[in-house]
Amino acid sequence: DAGITQSPRHKVTETGTPVTLRCHQTENHRYMYWYRQDPGHGLRLIHYSYGVKDTDKGEVSDGYSVSRSKTEDFLLTLESATSSQTSVYFCAISTRTGLGETQYFGPGTRLLVL
Amino acid sequence: DQQVKQNSPSLSVQEGRISILNCDYTNSMFDYFLWYKKYPAEGPTFLISISSIKDKNEDGRFTVFLNKSAKHLSLHIVPSQPGDSAVYFCAASWGRNSGNTPLVFGKGTRLSVIA
Repeated sequence: DAGITQSPRHKVTETGTPVTLRCHQTENHRYMYWYRQDPGHGLRLIHYSYGVKDTDKGEVSDGYSVSRSKTEDFLLTLESATSSQTSVYFCAISTRTGLGETQYFGPGTRLLVL
Repeated sequence: DQQVKQNSPSLSVQEGRISILNCDYTNSMFDYFLWYKKYPAEGPTFLISISSIKDKNEDGRFTVFLNKSAKHLSLHIVPSQPGDSAVYFCAASWGRNSGNTPLVFGKGTRLSVIA
């Protein structure tokens, strides 16, 4: 357990509405990530953050934005939800040693866009 | 282009036998590799890792082998148990030189251990 919580855990919304998912960590990690998991696609990186107000795009960032105004919270916003954004969303933090990076994941948010 | 490939989407193994999950990578700059396990309705959990300075790392029933010349790694589970049934993801990173670059994940292999 890396002290990561995600909220909400489940959400149903309608096409065209904005949605914000929250990732909260309690251990002061610098790096945080948002992924989506879909059948046949594995884990795909949406956005990541390497510090407060420092973020970058992943491979599937279109339609998503993020914000990190404090170390412990990383928010993912779907600006106008579409049915293709129905997915399970995972937040992760990483620890880095002299050998490399290990990521630890939250429990996930299941999002259904109708 | 996929830099980390898990070519077998699924694998079935009998309880008590060995499970071998395979992963290939294309980027020779990767030097740190990880395996994650994922149960339904849960987040992926870190299982085991290996640095490129080693060719084997063992943790209980789980052993990861790295063949740098073939750009191939494998996860061996011996003996396999029904509780090992899950999706396994392979991941790679640039290790010490990763900077801000995140891990690269494969698409996963679903392991079913049959009692």
